[in-house]
Amino acid sequence: SQTIHQWPATLVQPVGSPLSLECTVEGTSNPNLYWYRQAAGRGLQLLFYSVGIGQISSEVPQNLSASRPQDRQFILSSKKLLLSDSGFYLCAWNPTREYEQFFGPGTRLTVL
Amino acid sequence: SQQGEEDPQALSIQEGENATMNCSYKTSINNLQWYRQNSGRGLVHLILIRSNEREKHSGRLRVTLDTSKKSSSLLITASRAADTASYFCATTQNTDKLIFGTGTRLQVFP
Repeated sequence: SQTIHQWPATLVQPVGSPLSLECTVEGTSNPNLYWYRQAAGRGLQLLFYSVGIGQISSEVPQNLSASRPQDRQFILSSKKLLLSDSGFYLCAWNPTREYEQFFGPGTRLTVL
Repeated sequence: SQQGEEDPQALSIQEGENATMNCSYKTSINNLQWYRQNSGRGLVHLILIRSNEREKHSGRLRVTLDTSKKSSSLLITASRAADTASYFCATTQNTDKLIFGTGTRLQVFP
């Protein structure tokens, strides 16, 4: 069966520090991968999606970047965090050409 | 920008009662999905309804879709305390990217 992992689960970082959040998927190949951010009490905002290794599409201009170095690995990064980067970051995947998405447990990021 | 808007924003009911949540969206869609999120956790897919479908059931869940009104409703029958969570609708257009609504927070009291 397929599983999706995210780490770390929680993270507290100072403003201006770098960021690296990792997401990996097991039990499938060539998944579509997604990064979302959820502000407190709000819905999810799509940040990046990827249909294959090295293929990244950005949905909103921001301080963040994403990379997909391996088929089942998706990384969210920042060189210098801002206060506004705080939030709950969720990774998701779905099989190519299917629409239901499967979400990871999320990473809660607090920037101080 | 978010396409969906859920209504109400928050809902409190007693166990055994039914809970109805509504979702409105702005543009044409391929399908509409409902997800559940327990506090501080990831989202879990509940049900998907395609644009050519009007009603769908899954256990205690009933979803309706009215494309002429660009709206959907999620009904949870005979609610349980364990149904306490936030519920989100999400739509797809011509891609598999999901556009989420703002969510309804459901509280079920035992």
